[in-house]
Amino acid sequence: GENVEQHPSTLSVQEGDSAVIKCTYSDSASNYFPWYKQELGKRPQLIIDIRSNVGEKKDQRIAVTLNKTAKHFSLHITETQPEDSAVYFCAASQGSNYQLIWGAGTKLIIKP
Amino acid sequence: DSGVTQTPKHLITATGQRVTLRCSPRSGDLSVYWYQQSLDQGLQFLIQYYNGEERAKGNILERFSAQQFPDLHSELNLSSLELGDSALYFCASSDGNSGNTIYFGEGSWLTVV
Repeated sequence: GENVEQHPSTLSVQEGDSAVIKCTYSDSASNYFPWYKQELGKRPQLIIDIRSNVGEKKDQRIAVTLNKTAKHFSLHITETQPEDSAVYFCAASQGSNYQLIWGAGTKLIIKP
Repeated sequence: DSGVTQTPKHLITATGQRVTLRCSPRSGDLSVYWYQQSLDQGLQFLIQYYNGEERAKGNILERFSAQQFPDLHSELNLSSLELGDSALYFCASSDGNSGNTIYFGEGSWLTVV
């Protein structure tokens, strides 16, 4: 079945710098890749997603890129701000059950 | 507000007891998912229902069970509770098709003492 690996587990960046989180997946049939942000004690919230017929998608300071050949997708956050501090989860949609398979999460720390 | 409603928000109970967590999905969503998140851990998928029927099962313990009712609300039953069951339990919903967003509720904090 599908397996999603997410790196790094913790990322610390200076405020204003960029942050990149990468996920790799194993099932070439996966066709939907969302990213969720979870603040401490809160529910995960979708921040951006991409489908397999698109290579890149942007929404203000956030972008996601997808490389289907290499089977990896990445979250890019530019001009990081303190409110970007959170845990970020990637996921891939698997096969006929349309199950989301989740990465282990990345704790993003924005240093002032 | 995601539109997914979970009750109760907080629950403290003793080991060996049984609790029921309730979830109402977003209007129009047919699929309900249950996740467990222990402190500083990832999202552990437990089970998914679609229009009243079990669609997928994850790492759900035999002590746990769930169902989805005709009105599409769902309940997660946790029995013979152990200290290690203390966690945040999320319900999420979607329309159940591939590539559609799932929306999480605020979660139910379960503490087993």
